[in-house]
Amino acid sequence: KAGVTQTPRYLIKTRGQQVTLSCSPISGHRSVSWYQQTPGQGLQFLFEYFSETQRNKGNFPGRFSGRQFSNSRSEMNVSTLELGDSALYLCASRQLGSGREGSKNIQYFGAGTRLSVL
Amino acid sequence: AQSVTQPDIHITVSEGASLELRCNYSYGATPYLFWYVQSPGQGLQLLLKYFSGDTLVQGIKGFEAEFKRSQSSFNLRKPSVHWSDAAEYFCAVGTNFGNEKLTFGTGTRLTIIP
Repeated sequence: KAGVTQTPRYLIKTRGQQVTLSCSPISGHRSVSWYQQTPGQGLQFLFEYFSETQRNKGNFPGRFSGRQFSNSRSEMNVSTLELGDSALYLCASRQLGSGREGSKNIQYFGAGTRLSVL
Repeated sequence: AQSVTQPDIHITVSEGASLELRCNYSYGATPYLFWYVQSPGQGLQLLLKYFSGDTLVQGIKGFEAEFKRSQSSFNLRKPSVHWSDAAEYFCAVGTNFGNEKLTFGTGTRLTIIP
């Protein structure tokens, strides 16, 4: 079974531009979460999507948005890029279970998209 | 809100030596606990997890971790490290209500010397 696929792997943008990152989850996984990783702030949760709906959101400005399609693929968008948005953006998928169905709630991560804002 | 502390930013061990990476968590209920490993330029790979039951859990690559509720700890161990274990290690806690959001520690960078 293929893992979580993120495209592109690398991006270079300039301040003020916008960017869209893509994530294809593991087949059969219905939930997709996004994380930002920076040297200063570490790994921070951005948001999670399930059934095309955002279910949970981290503490990021509205410039960060996302969506999920009916096939569970997800995109993340950052508008009006700032230098501080330079980071590794990681996508994680999980099958999704209820309560303490732990094995279905393991998050599997992609290799990430490295975004550099100049 | 949950939190994770990894007190060691960087650890250096000799190849063949034993390893213990520390992790302390804060969460009001019984947590889901994870250790992930990240090689340079890569994503996160799951090493092992704790949900319930046996407090000593085995993972991939010869790693194990022990959940100690009284100490709010979930330390990662390996009896004999290999040069290929050099990487950054992250401890994470998830909620037991769906685990949609993982809270990560700041990571421990492991260097292996010959």
